[in-house]
Amino acid sequence: GNSVTQMEGPVTLSEEAFLTINCTYTATGYPSLFWYVQYPGEGLQLLLKATKADDKGSNKGFEATYRKETTSFHLEKGSVQVSDSAVYFCALSPTQGGSEKLVFGKGTKLTVNP
Amino acid sequence: KAGVTQTPRYLIKTRGQQVTLSCSPISGHRSVSWYQQTPGQGLQFLFEYFSETQRNKGNFPGRFSGRQFSNSRSEMNVSTLELGDSALYLCASSPTRTGPQETQYFGPGTRLLVL
Repeated sequence: GNSVTQMEGPVTLSEEAFLTINCTYTATGYPSLFWYVQYPGEGLQLLLKATKADDKGSNKGFEATYRKETTSFHLEKGSVQVSDSAVYFCALSPTQGGSEKLVFGKGTKLTVNP
Repeated sequence: KAGVTQTPRYLIKTRGQQVTLSCSPISGHRSVSWYQQTPGQGLQFLFEYFSETQRNKGNFPGRFSGRQFSNSRSEMNVSTLELGDSALYLCASSPTRTGPQETQYFGPGTRLLVL
């Protein structure tokens, strides 16, 4: 079936540090891949997405590249800020198999200290 | 454009009761999906509605049901509540059902506590 595995954290960084959150997926066909962010007490916000192999999604300094050969979609940011503290979810939208609209990873909680 | 709205934002119920949650999608969006978020299971897909018809359903018992109205607003109902139904219920909308590349836009959620 379709599944997403991401590092669960929590991850604690100092301001201006480099961020990587690993995400790998299992799916048939060519799913679309997403990163969503959830701030405390809020719903999910789309951070970025990629719909085909080698696509790079980017937004607010975050970026992730769709790597079909390694079935990965790692999230990176060169210099994190305190305001980036949130929970980050990697997700896929399957093209084949399963009935889910979106399949999510468990989420990674990021805390950025000043 | 207003985002996805969900009501109520917080709800406390007791075991055995039933509950109805409401979701208003972004104007013009016709697809509405529901998700359950718990600390243990994470985010799990409940069901999707499009043009008043359920199109997809996740692996949840029949106590969980939903419907969509002609104006695309959606409700989900949980009957005979159990303690394990305590969760954040998220609604998401998208314009159509064009495929996996379509982005879903999430509401703030309804936090349900079952005592």
